[in-house]
Amino acid sequence: EVQLVESGGGLVQPGGSLRLSCAASGFYFSNYWMNWVRQAPGKGLEWVANIKEDGSEKNYVDSVKGRFTISRDNAKNSVSLQMNSLRVEDTAVYYCARGSPILDWGQGTLVTVSS
Amino acid sequence: DIQMTQSPSTLSASVGDRVTITCRASQSISDWLAWYQQKSGKAPKLLIYKASSLESGVPSRFNGRGSGTEFTLTINSLQPDDFATYYCQQYNSHSGTFGQGTKVEI
Repeated sequence: EVQLVESGGGLVQPGGSLRLSCAASGFYFSNYWMNWVRQAPGKGLEWVANIKEDGSEKNYVDSVKGRFTISRDNAKNSVSLQMNSLRVEDTAVYYCARGSPILDWGQGTLVTVSS
Repeated sequence: DIQMTQSPSTLSASVGDRVTITCRASQSISDWLAWYQQKSGKAPKLLIYKASSLESGVPSRFNGRGSGTEFTLTINSLQPDDFATYYCQQYNSHSGTFGQGTKVEI
């Protein structure tokens, strides 16, 4: 059974930093692109970033370029999202997601940016 | 970046109806288009990939068509379990832009 378990969400002030992690199991992690997708309260889905199977390619939505960094550790079956210079508009549930198209999703972790 | 425009944003329908949702890409994405269903408080679920391929376990009343820039998702004979929000997503350009979503409600 595929499992994606996010952690690291919480309340942070504007301008602060947060690191999200996703532990993957139940599939051969090194064979899949991995994504972060977010959903602001009451809003639609927004793709945030993805990373190639071997980590050699990373892509970001324009609104987070230069502030967020995606990384992966294939030895530990994990993917992370380092979020710096956080803004109020980054408030959302952040999902870790497998594949392209997305085959599986985690349960999500809530990030709240507020003073 | 590729933009995805979905319509309508809300769709009112009844059990047994046939409904169609449209998704347009700002440039050609070939058939790199997926459809997802999301129910309140839950993670999305993949329904259709490569524009028209039905994901395993998804009922055959879900039908995807299109290529290039214009795509549709049709639900034949709407069932009570189908009332949800639907999203298209392009996965052509090493990114994964979603449409704004279509809420199918009674």
